[in-house]
Amino acid sequence: DFQMTQSPSSLSASVGDRVTITCRTSQDINVFLNWYQQRPGKPPRLLIYAATILHSGVPSRFSGGGSGTDFTLTISSLQPEDFATYFCQQNYHVPYIFGQGTKLEIK
Amino acid sequence: QLVESGGGVVQPGTSLRLSCSVSGFTFRNFFMSWVRQAPGKGLEWVAQLTDDGSARHYAGSLRGRFTISRDNSKNTLYLQMNNLRVDDTAVYYCVRRSVSCHPLCYYYLDVWGEGTAVTVTS
Repeated sequence: DFQMTQSPSSLSASVGDRVTITCRTSQDINVFLNWYQQRPGKPPRLLIYAATILHSGVPSRFSGGGSGTDFTLTISSLQPEDFATYFCQQNYHVPYIFGQGTKLEIK
Repeated sequence: QLVESGGGVVQPGTSLRLSCSVSGFTFRNFFMSWVRQAPGKGLEWVAQLTDDGSARHYAGSLRGRFTISRDNSKNTLYLQMNNLRVDDTAVYYCVRRSVSCHPLCYYYLDVWGEGTAVTVTS
């Protein structure tokens, strides 16, 4: 079975910090990996698609990297509005499963 | 804009049909999906339907109980859920799938509704 492992599951950081979230897949998915942000009580919001491409309107402090089985989401300088939960999702083949999520909290 | 409706509190074993009314873009040109989120849990991709309604894909655990469909003349997406279980309790999101080609084509979920809550309880 195809597996996705997102880490860490939670992370405490301060405004201005640089943070990195990772997503690992059990099969090579090229760059068919997307990242989403979800604030409490809100629907998810697309941040990055194709592993590295910033979606329209997303601040440049967000960046994505990786290919194959290992991917990263980096926030270069945390802002107060970035404290949220982040999910990766593969769209290489159905089912288009999501990672378990990383909850980013204020230290 | 995507506006879901049809959620509610139901008993196990019953059925429910969710609707998603779409405006602001040409509905018939886009694949559409449902994604759900159980209380306090992560996101679960549920199903996808092609723009013309000709092909459906489901999460393996839901195939046979859930049916995704659409009416392009009404700009509406549906999710028929049968034999509901307690673990189907979740917020159900209607989502647009878009594509961007660079030159390979990449797919992503870029427009989300606010969701409709389904609670299955005895």
